[in-house]
Amino acid sequence: GDSVTQMEGPVTLSEEAFLTINCTYTATGYPSLFWYVQYPGEGLQLLLKATKADDKGSNKGFEATYRKETTSFHLEKGSVQVSDSAVYFCALPDRGSTLGRLYFGRGTQLTVWP
Amino acid sequence: GAVVSQHPSRVICKSGTSVKIECRSLDFQATTMFWYRQFPKQSLMLMATSNEGSKATYEQGVEKDKFLINHASLTLSTLTVTSAHPEDSSFYICSARLAGVGGELFFGEGSRLTVL
Repeated sequence: GDSVTQMEGPVTLSEEAFLTINCTYTATGYPSLFWYVQYPGEGLQLLLKATKADDKGSNKGFEATYRKETTSFHLEKGSVQVSDSAVYFCALPDRGSTLGRLYFGRGTQLTVWP
Repeated sequence: GAVVSQHPSRVICKSGTSVKIECRSLDFQATTMFWYRQFPKQSLMLMATSNEGSKATYEQGVEKDKFLINHASLTLSTLTVTSAHPEDSSFYICSARLAGVGGELFFGEGSRLTVL
């Protein structure tokens, strides 16, 4: 079945460093792809999404490009801030369901030091 | 964006007792809610899909008699962990789907259950 695989964390960076969190997917066809973020003590929030191949999702300085050639949707940010410290989840929908179920990757803990 | 609230955020209970966790959509109606379980350093595992006014649909391997789900209204779903045991200790997260085609999912802040 469809699934996503994320790089394992934790990832620790200094402020203003470049961030990449890898995500690859396995799916038939081209499902929508999502990145969610979970800040400490909070629920998950949608960070960005891409609905078709070659789309680029972006939000809050984060970007991810839907690459069908490499079945990837890597999350990037050019200059991270301490406030970006959170857990990041890659996800794709269960296309066998009309209800909006999502399959999540393991999550990658990001810690940014000042 | 829309707000989903869970309560309690943390609960500690003794083995053998039952614990109820509430999930509310505060400013929208959610015909469908989902309950996830998150183990340390692991992903969110979908436990069940809850539809207002009907029985929940459980994922394979999830005991429906242990994890009772009720979706009595368009803004409230509850998860009751019955006869809790230490292995039920986990982080439980709910999400609610905005009604309509392609409705976005909004997540609660999660509830940390510790069973002693």
